[in-house]
Amino acid sequence: AQSVTQPDIHITVSEGASLELRCNYSYGATPYLFWYVQSPGQGLQLLLKYFSGDTLVQGIKGFEAEFKRSQSSFNLRKPSVHWSDAAEYFCAVGSPGYSSASKIIFGSGTRLSIRP
Amino acid sequence: GAGVSQSPSNKVTEKGKDVELRCDPISGHTALYWYRQSLGQGLEFLIYFQGNSAPDKSGLPSDRFSAERTGGSVSTLTIQRTQQEDSAVYLCASSPGQVGETQYFGPGTRLLVL
Repeated sequence: AQSVTQPDIHITVSEGASLELRCNYSYGATPYLFWYVQSPGQGLQLLLKYFSGDTLVQGIKGFEAEFKRSQSSFNLRKPSVHWSDAAEYFCAVGSPGYSSASKIIFGSGTRLSIRP
Repeated sequence: GAGVSQSPSNKVTEKGKDVELRCDPISGHTALYWYRQSLGQGLEFLIYFQGNSAPDKSGLPSDRFSAERTGGSVSTLTIQRTQQEDSAVYLCASSPGQVGETQYFGPGTRLLVL
């Protein structure tokens, strides 16, 4: 069965510092991988996704993520965080296709706080 | 519409009452998902619709929970005889139904069972 692990529950970084949020997955084939952000009082918004091809994926708001098959990881990065990046971040793995297994499994989330 | 909408945005109910939560997906999206997000927790998958059928109900936590979708559009999640542990934010998402689905989420319904 597929699963997603986000080992960091809460991370605090200084504004302007670089950021890396970890995500590890378990899946029998190449999954579809996603990062979502949930700002306070907001719905979830897709940051980026990986389906195939180039393993370095660019997303919105200056975020990127790299799919590393050998490490079963899909870590999210940003070179310089802004105070507005404070939010909850969710990694997710999806099963391709129309079938009943076509749902997305979410990790438990990492809460990001920004230190002024 | 422009996005996924959910109603009500907030619902306070008494233990033992039934509640209905509504989701209006993005027009044309064939897939619809319900999730539950408890305080400080991640998203818990509840049920998935493809059109009007629900091929995956594996996440429904008990037989008090049910959902339906009519006309391939609006979906209703019903919780009967609510319990305090049902208190959570219930999120709905829709996707076009194509391979490699990106889900578009609604703002959620915050349910509080007293």
